[in-house]
Amino acid sequence: NAGVTQTPKFQVLKTGQSMTLQCAQDMNHEYMSWYRQDPGMGLRLIHYSVGAGITDQGEVPNGYNVSRSTTEDFPLRLLSAAPSQTSVYFCASSYNRYSNQPQHFGDGTRLSIL
Amino acid sequence: EDKVVQSPLSLVVHEGDTVTLNCSYEVTNFRSLLWYKQEKKAPTFLFMLTSSGIEKKSGRLSSILDKKELFSILNITATQTGDSAVYLCAVDSNYQLIWGAGTKLIIKP
Repeated sequence: NAGVTQTPKFQVLKTGQSMTLQCAQDMNHEYMSWYRQDPGMGLRLIHYSVGAGITDQGEVPNGYNVSRSTTEDFPLRLLSAAPSQTSVYFCASSYNRYSNQPQHFGDGTRLSIL
Repeated sequence: EDKVVQSPLSLVVHEGDTVTLNCSYEVTNFRSLLWYKQEKKAPTFLFMLTSSGIEKKSGRLSSILDKKELFSILNITATQTGDSAVYLCAVDSNYQLIWGAGTKLIIKP
């Protein structure tokens, strides 16, 4: 059981480049989310999805887009990378938003923007 | 504004010691409080607390919630080097998780 799989694990970009961080889960979870983790700060929610075809903004959505065409996949797109987006990105999923079920996390993508 | 504050931010102890990590919160619509352990990669789930005064235990780890005083503690007894990690606290408020900055725990042999 793979759980939540994120790719790539590491990426270096130049300012202005775009890229997509991939996230897939095989647990048939309805709820998926993207966080960024910066030193000295808690995880901050970027975008989330409560099911296929439905997405919404979190606390820090600017500069990022998401889509949810299938239950399994929830990619995060950086439109025009900026140094302020250097961070570790985590994808997480849970059964659904309203149940008291903990989120399962992927191993993260460490992203550096030069 | 919802917030979750963890203390201390870092802690260094020797193997065998007992540690207590703190998590206080101010949120608009409390549903649950969660503790996670983060080693090098993904945070892994430890406990979910919804009711005051009921201790959750898993081996040497235990946690309790006080909804009147708005805090939770995570205790680790007889610490081992494998307990070294960042411990994260999160509160579900209005179906969104608000995260603390974490406590970095280092266990020296």
